[in-house]
Amino acid sequence: DVVMTQSPLSLPVTLGQPASISCRSSQGLVYSDGDTYLNWFQQRPGQSPRRLIYKVSNRDSGVPDRFSGSGSGTDFTLKISRVEAEDVGVYYCMQGTHWPYTFGQGTKLEIK
Amino acid sequence: EVQLVESGGGSVQPGGSLRLSCAASGFTFSSYTMSWVRQTPGKGLELVSYIYSSSGTIKYADSVKGRFTISRDNAKNSLYLQMNSLRAEDTAVYYCAREARLAYWGQGTLVTVSS
Repeated sequence: DVVMTQSPLSLPVTLGQPASISCRSSQGLVYSDGDTYLNWFQQRPGQSPRRLIYKVSNRDSGVPDRFSGSGSGTDFTLKISRVEAEDVGVYYCMQGTHWPYTFGQGTKLEIK
Repeated sequence: EVQLVESGGGSVQPGGSLRLSCAASGFTFSSYTMSWVRQTPGKGLELVSYIYSSSGTIKYADSVKGRFTISRDNAKNSLYLQMNSLRAEDTAVYYCAREARLAYWGQGTLVTVSS
């Protein structure tokens, strides 16, 4: 199975400051159709996960533009340009290229 | 608005069975692959199974293969997960999600397997 490794696992951030989460895969994530199926999810306290980013860098509908995704090969990054209070929660990366699809361990973002 | 509402969770003894349901609305259900994902504090998130729109392709995680069966009824806009031979390690919140890459999620239903 493809192992997804996130860092850091805990991320204290001051309001208004940027934040960055890294996700590394144990194998390349380019699918046979040429796309890279790397997604990012946000799970706020007490809520279901919500997809933020699909195929590395595409924001889902309704996702603020302070969230951005980048990367290629086996290294991917989720960036928040200016953290707001509503961004508190756990962030997960997930690869949807090789079955079984697998998730990272999660990064807990909190406000300092 | 896409809505996914799971039901059928509960407490069951090891070796028992449960059937989860997911009622979908707000989109053309018959056009989309659907998935079941579970979440535990210890193992995190696991995509358990997905089923293509026409039920032509089905995938299972190794951890549930042979014990769980995913199905759908496009006429009823519903997704199902039949869970047999349940084990303590199947205890989790189970989510229904649209697409294999999980564009939308339901609120989840808790399954507890314990004697």
